[in-house]
Amino acid sequence: KNQVEQSPQSLIILEGKNCTLQCNYTVSPFSNLRWYKQDTGRGPVSLTIMTFSENTKSNGRYTATLDADTKQSSLHITASQLSDSASYICVVSGRAGGSYIPTFGRGTSLIVHP
Amino acid sequence: KAGVTQTPRYLIKTRGQQVTLSCSPISGHRSVSWYQQTPGQGLQFLFEYFSETQRNKGNFPGRFSGRQFSNSRSEMNVSTLELGDSALYLCASSLRLEGAETQYFGPGTRLLVL
Repeated sequence: KNQVEQSPQSLIILEGKNCTLQCNYTVSPFSNLRWYKQDTGRGPVSLTIMTFSENTKSNGRYTATLDADTKQSSLHITASQLSDSASYICVVSGRAGGSYIPTFGRGTSLIVHP
Repeated sequence: KAGVTQTPRYLIKTRGQQVTLSCSPISGHRSVSWYQQTPGQGLQFLFEYFSETQRNKGNFPGRFSGRQFSNSRSEMNVSTLELGDSALYLCASSLRLEGAETQYFGPGTRLLVL
């Protein structure tokens, strides 16, 4: 069964500090891995997308890494800001024929305190 | 360019009724996906449409159906509503059906079933 597990479930950090969120998956065959940011009451916003051949992708202060051998990904946030407070969701898509079926992690809730 | 729009934003129904939700993708986007988000299960994939055809389907009962029109607008229908169908229903659009396409989410329709 395809699964995506994220850790920690929640995280509280001080403004300006860095943090790293983890994502482990068992989706196979692997197609791509995405990280989304979801503010309360809003739809998710895409941060990064990585395919099998990519092991790092950056988007401003967000840097995602992918280790396809160990089936692990991380999202590193540098110099956190209050606006980074949100849920961060890891999504892994598996390819089945010509289809791409996404499996979602439960998310990490990040709170940035001033 | 306008983002993904969903109507209505909020909806209250009673058990046994049916509901239709609407999604207008970003202009030029031909792929529309639907997702259900609940506190208990997180985000789950419902289905994806491209060029008026359902291309991918998640693990939901047949009460959940959808369609896409020639202008790429999509509708999702849930028949014989159950209490457990209370959720935030999100739609997302992308240019193409390829796996690594960036998806843009709408704000969602929050459905409450009484």
